[in-house]
Amino acid sequence: SAVISQKPSRDICQRGTSLTIQCQVDSQVTMMFWYRQQPGQSLTLIATANQGSEATYESGFVIDKFPISRPNLTFSTLTVSNMSPEDSSIYLCSVDEEGGGEQYFGPGTRLTVT
Amino acid sequence: DAKTTQPTSMDCAEGRAANLPCNHSTISGNEYVYWYRQIHSQGPQYIIHGLKNNETNEMASLIITEDRKSSTLILPHATLRDTAVYYCIVRIWGGATNKLIFGTGTLLAVQP
Repeated sequence: SAVISQKPSRDICQRGTSLTIQCQVDSQVTMMFWYRQQPGQSLTLIATANQGSEATYESGFVIDKFPISRPNLTFSTLTVSNMSPEDSSIYLCSVDEEGGGEQYFGPGTRLTVT
Repeated sequence: DAKTTQPTSMDCAEGRAANLPCNHSTISGNEYVYWYRQIHSQGPQYIIHGLKNNETNEMASLIITEDRKSSTLILPHATLRDTAVYYCIVRIWGGATNKLIFGTGTLLAVQP
């Protein structure tokens, strides 16, 4: 199974600032996904990021707020821009195993906005 | 829009089988049933998936009804470490859209 790491693991940020979260995979994957999990809630998909194309955002999420980069097949970043306390969540990346059907998740980045 | 219905919570005695039900009455013919679990503050962990046949791996068994409108995840010998939120998800795999849509899941509490 793919091994996924995320940086930072947690951060406390001031409102109005931005944070970029990194996701690194130990193998080449075509599709990467970014999720948000607000306190006490289930996971919500933010966007799908494929290498070489623009990310596809889900309803309620926009590129200006959550810009995503996917420079190669093992790496992606998600930026949370102009943060407010409502952005306090766990942000997770995940990848599809090539040809296997499983989707694996990183450990998450716990963000607190004050 | 979650397409599955699960009980909010369940209890199970340690060492006994845990049977977690899921209703997916609107499942399409090309949609798979996936199960994940999330132990507190960790990323979701893949458990098992299937299309129409029953599946078994080292973690669990997945029983899908013949009409595919419901399924049951079976943990054969639950331990305290199996306490987690379990998510049942239907997903089209292999097409242009491979995304997972999480519902609210079932909180399984394994009791000593």
